[in-house]
Amino acid sequence: NAGVTQTPKFRVLKTGQSMTLLCAQDMNHEYMYWYRQDPGMGLRLIHYSVGEGTTAKGEVPDGYNVSRLKKQNFLLGLESAAPSQTSVYFCASSYMVPGTGGYNEQFFGPGTRLTVL
Amino acid sequence: AQTVTQSQPEMSVQEAETVTLSCTYDTSENNYYLFWYKQPPSRQMILVIRQEAYKQQNATENRFSVNFQKAAKSFSLKISDSQLGDTAMYFCAFMKRHSGNTGKLIFGQGTTLQVKP
Repeated sequence: NAGVTQTPKFRVLKTGQSMTLLCAQDMNHEYMYWYRQDPGMGLRLIHYSVGEGTTAKGEVPDGYNVSRLKKQNFLLGLESAAPSQTSVYFCASSYMVPGTGGYNEQFFGPGTRLTVL
Repeated sequence: AQTVTQSQPEMSVQEAETVTLSCTYDTSENNYYLFWYKQPPSRQMILVIRQEAYKQQNATENRFSVNFQKAAKSFSLKISDSQLGDTAMYFCAFMKRHSGNTGKLIFGQGTTLQVKP
């Protein structure tokens, strides 16, 4: 199993450009997430999905859109990139462990470093 | 809403000594999980230890142990016999526990730990 993979690993954009980050998981997980990591702020949830065809806003959704057309993929889009979106982006997936009454075991991707000039 | 606070941006420890990282959180939930994640320079997020709030016994994983004080909403990580490979950023994180759990994590700001030879 490849686990959670992210494409690309690095990217530099100019202000106003658009791009899509791809997250893929091969573990048949229902839940997927996009976080951003900024110095001194930890990881913050951008958007998440509880199943194929569903998405929901997280803590910092402005400026981002997501889609989950296939269960194994979760796409994060930036329509018009801004310098404030310079960050490291992490995708994660999870499944609810049976018999735990609500524990989701999390699996993280390796991250994408995005710089917006 | 839940919040997680790590008040120590940076810490250092001599190899083979013991260090404690602090974390406090705020929630009105009674059932939840708390975690410590390690992020080495490779950026990979690695689960170090998990604590279930309904369990009074503190979790331990080899050289890693926690001091969970539910009433005080405190969750510290103790690393014994520190090793150079423990050098990393450490994140405290919170997750609700219930049958409809979406698995969203709330992270603290992170503590950078440097283990010195």
